[in-house]
Amino acid sequence: AAGVIQSPRHLIKEKRETATLKCYPIPRHDTVYWYQQGPGQDPQFLISFYEKMQSDKGSIPDRFSAQQFSDYHSELNMSSLELGDSALYFCASSLSLGAGYTDTQYFGPGTRLTVL
Amino acid sequence: AQSVAQPEDQVNVAEGNPLTVKCTYSVSGNPYLFWYVQYPNRGLQFLLKYITGDNLVKGSYGFEAEFNKSQTSFHLKKPSALVSDSALYFCAVRDGGSAGGYQKVTFGTGTKLQVIP
Repeated sequence: AAGVIQSPRHLIKEKRETATLKCYPIPRHDTVYWYQQGPGQDPQFLISFYEKMQSDKGSIPDRFSAQQFSDYHSELNMSSLELGDSALYFCASSLSLGAGYTDTQYFGPGTRLTVL
Repeated sequence: AQSVAQPEDQVNVAEGNPLTVKCTYSVSGNPYLFWYVQYPNRGLQFLLKYITGDNLVKGSYGFEAEFNKSQTSFHLKKPSALVSDSALYFCAVRDGGSAGGYQKVTFGTGTKLQVIP
């Protein structure tokens, strides 16, 4: 079965540079979530989108922004990168069940971002 | 607010023995509970979930979990551990009582399972 696709899988950037991470959800899934997992940490929710609209916001820094496109893929844009942004960034997707509820979240393999 | 506690950083079990990974939760509405497994340098894989119905939920790879409302627990179990089960296990909760903006999943800190040959 098709899974969530994330690109790139690995990314190395310098401080103060920008980065764009991409997420392609499971076909027919309309909701996308972004999580950040620091070394030895549990995943922390950043932001989510449903039908191209932001549906929830977590601990996402102001330097980061994200959007969901008409084909449901999502991009996480990160600017003025800091050393502390080095982490594994996961995207998850789910299917909306209506009335604001969603089904199980399925995770992609993650993008490992290293900021030097 | 919703939260998850995994009291054990690491669980060691001999191959062939039963295993239990503990999880307790706190949520204001109805709990939607999940277990995910993470292998080194890999993504999170969904194992099983509890939404409603039978308290004993069966999932992938022979794992099961028991929902206990009075103890607010959702412990992960397997009757006979395999070396290949060694990984990081995350319990997660979502508030099923609220729609819209309350769909994000909150994870526990993870429990490293080490199955000893």
